[in-house]
Amino acid sequence: DAGVTQSPTHLIKTRGQQVTLRCSPKSGHDTVSWYQQALGQGPQFIFQYYEEEERQRGNFPDRFSGHQFPNYSSELNVNALLLGDSALYLCASSFTQDRISTDTQYFGPGTRLTVL
Amino acid sequence: AQTVTQSQPEMSVQEAETVTLSCTYDTSESDYYLFWYKQPPSRQMILVIRQEAYKQQNATENRFSVNFQKAAKSFSLKISDSQLGDAAMYFCAYGLAGTALIFGKGTTLSVSS
Repeated sequence: DAGVTQSPTHLIKTRGQQVTLRCSPKSGHDTVSWYQQALGQGPQFIFQYYEEEERQRGNFPDRFSGHQFPNYSSELNVNALLLGDSALYLCASSFTQDRISTDTQYFGPGTRLTVL
Repeated sequence: AQTVTQSQPEMSVQEAETVTLSCTYDTSESDYYLFWYKQPPSRQMILVIRQEAYKQQNATENRFSVNFQKAAKSFSLKISDSQLGDAAMYFCAYGLAGTALIFGKGTTLSVSS
């Protein structure tokens, strides 16, 4: 049973560039959430995708956008990168029943983004 | 707004001993979920234990157990018979069904032999 996978593992970009991170949910899951974890901090919620639509969004600017594909995998895009975007980006999956996502989220190994 | 507070930035324990990590939260909801996640240096966030707020019985998973005090909004994690592999950052998290998880700032646990 494959768990949540993310790619790439590490990424280095320069200010102003754009980046795309990818996530495949755990087998049987259809809902994907993205979190940003700054060094030494707890994860902060970015947004959640279900049925290829953004269902919930945290307090992040529009530079952060996402997409979910029919196979439930997801992408996180960040435009106009800032130094402050350097962080570990975590993807978590869950499944939705009767249009309500279950409470337990399973996390991937994360993508470490460094912005120079 | 819901908040989660972990007041112990660092804790240490010796192998085979017991350690308790503290967590408090603030919410006006009555039906919610609480979690402890472990994040070792490999970065993978691993679910340790889950508690449903409407259940009075404290959750237990092998050497891990919680002390859930709903009225006090307290949710501590007890690790018994600590092992070297328990060394990691531990995060307490709060969530409602279908919504984002809210995390505390974490507690770094070190285990010595």
